[in-house]
Amino acid sequence: NAGVTQTPKFRVLKTGQSMTLLCAQDMNHEYMYWYRQDPGMGLRLIHYSVGEGTTAKGEVPDGYNVSRLKKQNFLLGLESAAPSQTSVYFCASKDDGDREAFFGQGTRLTVV
Amino acid sequence: DAKTTQPPSMDCAEGRAANLPCNHSTISGNEYVYWYRQIHSQGPQYIIHGLKNNETNEMASLIITEDRKSSTLILPHATLRDTAVYYCIVRTHYNNNDMRFGAGTRLTVKP
Repeated sequence: NAGVTQTPKFRVLKTGQSMTLLCAQDMNHEYMYWYRQDPGMGLRLIHYSVGEGTTAKGEVPDGYNVSRLKKQNFLLGLESAAPSQTSVYFCASKDDGDREAFFGQGTRLTVV
Repeated sequence: DAKTTQPPSMDCAEGRAANLPCNHSTISGNEYVYWYRQIHSQGPQYIIHGLKNNETNEMASLIITEDRKSSTLILPHATLRDTAVYYCIVRTHYNNNDMRFGAGTRLTVKP
């Protein structure tokens, strides 16, 4: 049981490049979340999904797009990366109701 | 979701109880209190949650005041490995709710 797996773990992008971060969960969870964490800061919610085919904006959605075509996968896309998007990105999943959330180990993204 | 207020940092001596407070004065009746922690740069880890009754598990105890406007996470015998950022979150389980974290409390356990 892998839990929540994020791919890749590290990436360096040049300004203007695009990329997609993959979050995969094998627990059949309904809810999935993408966060970013800047140095010394707490987690800020980018986008989330409450089920397959659904997405919603969080606190800091600008510059990011997401898709949840399959229940087990939640993709985070950067269409044109900017240095301000240098951060550690965490994905989480959670079942419906009174349940705990499970987090991936993070993706460290640097935009130069 | 109701907002939470936590002290930015706290220290605790190894072996002593660590008591981490959280204020959630605008909590509504159907919102639960959750606690997570983040050790170094790892992904956050669930600790405990509750609605109105006090809760205890193998990791910690959660004390929620009778008016539910504040709560305290208790680590009964803190170890150096408990040094982490602790997040208090309140959220409902209805209406396709999101899950937002604040800045948390950085707990440092000292020898």
